[in-house]
Amino acid sequence: AQSVTQPDIHITVSEGASLELRCNYSYGATPYLFWYVQSPGQGLQLLLKYFSGDTLVQGIKGFEAEFKRSQSSFNLRKPSVHWSDAAEYFCAVGEWDGNEKLTFGTGTRLTIIP
Amino acid sequence: EAGVTQFPSHSVIEKGQTVTLRCDPISGHDNLYWYRRVMGKEIKFLLHFVKESKQDESGMPNNRFLAERTGGTYSTLKVQPAELEDSGVYFCASSQLLRAPYSGANVLTFGAGSRLTVL
Repeated sequence: AQSVTQPDIHITVSEGASLELRCNYSYGATPYLFWYVQSPGQGLQLLLKYFSGDTLVQGIKGFEAEFKRSQSSFNLRKPSVHWSDAAEYFCAVGEWDGNEKLTFGTGTRLTIIP
Repeated sequence: EAGVTQFPSHSVIEKGQTVTLRCDPISGHDNLYWYRRVMGKEIKFLLHFVKESKQDESGMPNNRFLAERTGGTYSTLKVQPAELEDSGVYFCASSQLLRAPYSGANVLTFGAGSRLTVL
């Protein structure tokens, strides 16, 4: 069975600092990988996705993620965080047979300090 | 385009009562999913509709949960009777129905969730 691990429950960074959120997955085949973000009162918004091809994926809001098959990782990065990035971030792996369902990690809550 | 709409945003009920959550997917999206996040845990898949048919209900926790999607448009998720462990956030998501040959995985659009508190 597939699984996703987000080892950091809560991360605090200063505004303007760089960010890396970790995600490790377990999946038997080529995974479809996603990062979602949930801001307070909002739904889950897709930041970026990896299906195939280039292992460095660019997303919205200046985020990027790199798929590393050898490490079973899909870490999310941003070079300089903004106060508006404070939210909860979820990594997910897709089980794709034409119509997907997702397995999520437990999420990482990001706090930004001035 | 309107997004996925869920109602109510928050419901507080007592143990043993009934609650019905509603989800309006994006118009034209034949796939509809329900997910749930219990406090501090991961978001877990509950079930998947394709139009009005249940494609996969392997994540439904027990028979106190009943999901319907009459007419293949909006969906309801009823919990009857509610228990304390049912508290959490219930997310609905929708996507277009892919047809072969597939060019890649689909992307789900999620609603804001319905928070259920059972006292």
